[in-house]
Amino acid sequence: GIQVEQSPPDLILQEGANSTLRCNFSDSVNNLQWFHQNPWGQLINLFYIPSGTKQNGRLSATTVATERYSLLYISSSQTTDSGVYFCAVGNAGGTSYGKLTFGQGTILTVHP
Amino acid sequence: NAGVMQNPRHLVRRRGQEARLRCSPMKGHSHVYWYRQLPEEGLKFMVYLQKENIIDESGMPKERFSAEFPKEGPSILRIQQVVRGDSAAYFCASSPTRGAGTGVNQPQHFGDGTRLSIL
Repeated sequence: GIQVEQSPPDLILQEGANSTLRCNFSDSVNNLQWFHQNPWGQLINLFYIPSGTKQNGRLSATTVATERYSLLYISSSQTTDSGVYFCAVGNAGGTSYGKLTFGQGTILTVHP
Repeated sequence: NAGVMQNPRHLVRRRGQEARLRCSPMKGHSHVYWYRQLPEEGLKFMVYLQKENIIDESGMPKERFSAEFPKEGPSILRIQQVVRGDSAAYFCASSPTRGAGTGVNQPQHFGDGTRLSIL
C-alpha cells in the first residue's frame, strides 16, 4: 500500500512564527487531505488538495503530485494552531477504493 | 449542522461486553468509511461501505468486529466481547457518490469520533 511520511514529527514555535509541514507519499494519488486534530480530538478538514495550491486565511497548501509531496504552510502562528496535523492520501483506482492512508502526523506546539 | 454525526461521543464498556458505534453520513453521501485511532497513533482504515454493501474490509480485525450500512438508518460498527486493546477513538467519514470508473476521488468528511474506553 501507499506509504505516507510526514516531517517534522514535532515542531515548537513562538506565536507569530511561520512554519512549513511536509508530506511525502510513495505512489500516485488522486486524493490528498490535510487535517488538524485539535486538543479535544476533533479532526478539522483543512484542505482537499490532490494537486495545485490553495489558500485559506493564514494557511496554504501546495501539492506537487508528480514529485509525490505536499506542503502545508502556517503563517503568523497562534496558540490555537497547536495540535496534530495529519496528511492523508488516497487513490480511487484499483482495489484501494479511495480509502485514506494517514501519515503519523506533526505535533505542533505554539507558545504565547 | 449537516455534518457527519457520530454517537455516542464517549462510550465505556467492561471487558466482554459489546460496543455499538453509530454514524450518520452527510446528507447526499452514500460512501461511509470507518477509521480507528489508537492512543498516540495516526488513523488507520478499517472498512468502507456503501448502502447495504461492504466494499472493502481489509482493515478490519478478523474476529469480533463487524460493520453495516443498512438501506435505512446509520452505519453501525459493532465490536463484540471487547478487550482493553479496543480502547481507541473511532472515526467515521463520508463522501459523495463519485463517477464509476472515472477514478475521480472526492474529499472525505469526518465526524467528531467516538472515544471507546474499556474497563
